Formats: sequence, C-alpha cells, structure tokens
Amino acid sequence: DAKTTQPNSMESNEEEPVHLPCNHSTISGTDYIHWYRQLPSQGPEYVIHGLTSNVNNRMASLAIAEDRKSSTLILHRATLRDAAVYYCILRDPQTGANNLFFGTGTRLTVIP
Amino acid sequence: NAGVTQTPKFRILKIGQSMTLQCTQDMNHNYMYWYRQDPGMGLKLIYYSVGAGITDKGEVPNGYNVSRSTTEDFPLRLELAAPSQTSVYFCASSRVDGNQPQHFGDGTRLSIL
Repeated sequence: DAKTTQPNSMESNEEEPVHLPCNHSTISGTDYIHWYRQLPSQGPEYVIHGLTSNVNNRMASLAIAEDRKSSTLILHRATLRDAAVYYCILRDPQTGANNLFFGTGTRLTVIP
Repeated sequence: NAGVTQTPKFRILKIGQSMTLQCTQDMNHNYMYWYRQDPGMGLKLIYYSVGAGITDKGEVPNGYNVSRSTTEDFPLRLELAAPSQTSVYFCASSRVDGNQPQHFGDGTRLSIL
C-alpha cells in the first residue's frame, strides 16, 4: 500500500474549522483515501473515504486535490470531542482483505 | 448495538505465561482483524481472517496464534508471553467490500512483567 505523510500534531480553537492535510504522492489510480480517528483510550473509528471527488458526511468533509497527490480532512466546527489522532490511509479495494495500514497520524488538540 | 466486544479490558501477565484475548462481533461481518498498538504509534496488523476457517498473517504475527471457528468469534492466543508483547490490542471487523469501514472494539491493554 502507498504511503501517506501527515503532520505530527495540530491545534485548533473550539468552534473553528480545522483542515487536516495528508500527502500521498505515490497514490495509484485504484487507491481510495480513507480517514479514521482515534479518541483517547478508544479504538479507531471510521470518518470518511473518497476516490476523486470531494465527499461530505455528517462527521466531516474530504477535499481531494485534482492530481490526487494530496487531500484534506475538514472538520467544519471543531468541538472538544474532536480531539483525537487522525489517520489518513490509502486503500486499494481490489487487493488484500480490506487491510488497513496505519501510520502515526496527526494528533489534533482542540483549545476551549 | 454491541458491535465488536473485546475481553478482558486489562490484563497483567508474567513472562512465559499464556492467555487468550477474546473478540466477538454481532454484525455478521466476514472479515475480522487483530491489531496491536504500541505507545505513540499507529496500529499494526497481527492476523486477519476472511471467514470461518480461514486466517492469514499480517505485519507482526510472531508470538501469536489465531483461530476462526465461527463468523462471530476471532480469539487471539499469546503463547510464552514476552515483555515485547506489552501493548494495546484491538480487534476489528468489516464487510467484504474493500471500501467498507472497519469497526473496532475498545481494546485490551496487556502488560507483560
């Protein structure tokens, strides 16, 4: 699976938007971009995924660059509950058994 | 909705002891996974299973064994526990489609002393 690069940490003020970047310059044409987050002392939880077009759901939005070499997870209004480690993961659904390869992610701190 | 349930939540073992970490899911998912997470690191895949009776190694399988006799259960066995196996263990499950999200349990925190 192709590698992703994320900043180690970011901070945001509560109720402000947060843009979490992810670089994936070696992404292949069949790789989907998945985001998971891990709240303190919990297992990871799925946030969103996409292939080429921008995606929205109740948790977040995913903006994908036109060349697909980078993407940004957008939290529209950060809350204290959004403080977590966010993982950007590339996944080719045609290979393996839906295995996920986690990096070290971005630790988001939300300031009240 | 129970989802993925892991037991126990915490355990302390002595070096050389063995134990089984239990994982069960009630979502009728074919795929199940075991990960370990060391402090400050991302999760690493230990073993996975694509269905009852079928298991395969992940990135870090040494020192562990698994079995999958039913769709619901996927226990992880540690034989001859070593300090290097001190970690938090997460079990997950998903549907077959490669883009289906994985659902994780709350983890088992294991210390080997």
